[in-house]
Amino acid sequence: DIQMTQSPSSLWASVGDRVKITCRASQTITTYLNWYQQKPGKSPRLLIFEASNLQSGVPSRFSGSGSGTDFTLTISSLQPEDFASYFCQQTYSSPSTFGQGSKLQIK
Amino acid sequence: QVQLQESGPGLVKPSETLALTCTVSGGSISLGGYYWGWVRQHPEKGLEWIGYIYYTGENFYNPSLKSRVSISGDKSKNQVSLRLRSVTAADTAVYYCARASVGGASPFDTWGQGTRVTVSS
Repeated sequence: DIQMTQSPSSLWASVGDRVKITCRASQTITTYLNWYQQKPGKSPRLLIFEASNLQSGVPSRFSGSGSGTDFTLTISSLQPEDFASYFCQQTYSSPSTFGQGSKLQIK
Repeated sequence: QVQLQESGPGLVKPSETLALTCTVSGGSISLGGYYWGWVRQHPEKGLEWIGYIYYTGENFYNPSLKSRVSISGDKSKNQVSLRLRSVTAADTAVYYCARASVGGASPFDTWGQGTRVTVSS
C-alpha cells in the first residue's frame, strides 16, 4: 500500500495567517491526490481534487500544489471556520489511502 | 443535490456481521459516472477506504478487508449496502457512505453524516 504522511500533525495559527500543510507519498502518485477538511463530529468535505483543482463552492483562499510524491495544501488567510482537521488521500493505486491528518488549531 | 444517509445498528457483537445501508436521494446509483462507497474512521484516527460499487455491479475492495466485506446495490430502493463479517473490536468506527466520481483522482465529493458502530459483547 502507498503510505501517505502529513506534516505537521498539529499546528497552531491565528486568523489571517497563511498556513501550509504537506503530504508526502511513499511512491509517486502523479497528481492523484485529494484534500479534505473535517470538523469535529462532521463528515469530511472535499476541498481540492487532483492535487490543484478547487472543488466547487470551496473558498479561493484554499489552494493545492504538487505532483509525484510531495503535495501542499495552502490556506492563504485563515478564517475562523478553517480551524479543523485536514486529510490527504491518494487514489493512484488500490487501495486508496489517506494521510493521518493535520489538526489546525487556534493560537 | 445528492444526499446520502447511513442507517444500521450502532452495536454489533464480536464475530457477528455488521450490516449498514446507505440511502441515496437526489441522484441514482443506476447511472454511470460515480462509484458508491464506504469509508470508515476509527476513534480519533484517520480514514480508511473500505470499497466501492459501480452501477454495473463491479466491486472494488480494500485488500485488507476483502475476505470479510461485501458491498451491494439495490437499484429499486436506490440504496447501497455494506456487510462486514466476523467483526472484532478493531472494526469499531464511524462508517461513512460516500460518492466518488469516476475518472481522474476519483475524489469523494459527497458524504453521508456517518454512523457510529461499536463492536462489543
